[in-house]
Amino acid sequence: GQNIDQPTEMTATEGAIVQINCTYQTSGFNGLFWYQQHAGEAPTFLSYNVLDGLEEKGRFSSFLSRSKGYSYLLLKELQMKDSASYLCAVRDSNYQLIWGAGTKLIIKP
Amino acid sequence: IAGITQAPTSQILAAGRRMTLRCTQDMRHNAMYWYRQDLGLGLRLIHYSNTAGTTGKGEVPDGYSVSRANTDDFPLTLASAVPSQTSVYFCASSVSGTSGDTQYFGPGTRLTVL
Repeated sequence: GQNIDQPTEMTATEGAIVQINCTYQTSGFNGLFWYQQHAGEAPTFLSYNVLDGLEEKGRFSSFLSRSKGYSYLLLKELQMKDSASYLCAVRDSNYQLIWGAGTKLIIKP
Repeated sequence: IAGITQAPTSQILAAGRRMTLRCTQDMRHNAMYWYRQDLGLGLRLIHYSNTAGTTGKGEVPDGYSVSRANTDDFPLTLASAVPSQTSVYFCASSVSGTSGDTQYFGPGTRLTVL
């Protein structure tokens, strides 16, 4: 079966760095996405990786290792507004997105 | 309209009733999707459409139907609602359904079936 695993919840301190991991087992791979979802709102796109390596976008970076079925989202200089759920999704061989359950990130002052 | 809109924002529905959730996008995207989101579970695909006039089944299609008469609209119908269909429903769209395009989401509809 297809499976996306990510931690249920993480806590970090304002100004710090946090890494959210995602491991996946899917039928085929056509890219990995990270989305941010604030409580009661829609998911919004953060990053996309299709090749191995690190993609940097401001305070957010995303890493992919296809051979290990592994990705992480790195958030630097954490701000209170970063408190949200972070969703990992893999596009499978049918070009459908398979979603993890999300990681709720709690930022403390 | 800017992006994707969904209606209603929320709804309480008696079991057995028919309900249509509306979704409209103004980005001229070819592909559209319906997901449901339940606590502790990832988004699950209900139905999708890669282009106007075509639809396909996702992971959890039972009890739901869709149509895609034109590019902009993609309504989701619950023919006879059951309590297990209580969920938050998100509509999404992307330029294409067969490439690495990003999916953009509407604000969601919170549905409660009693």
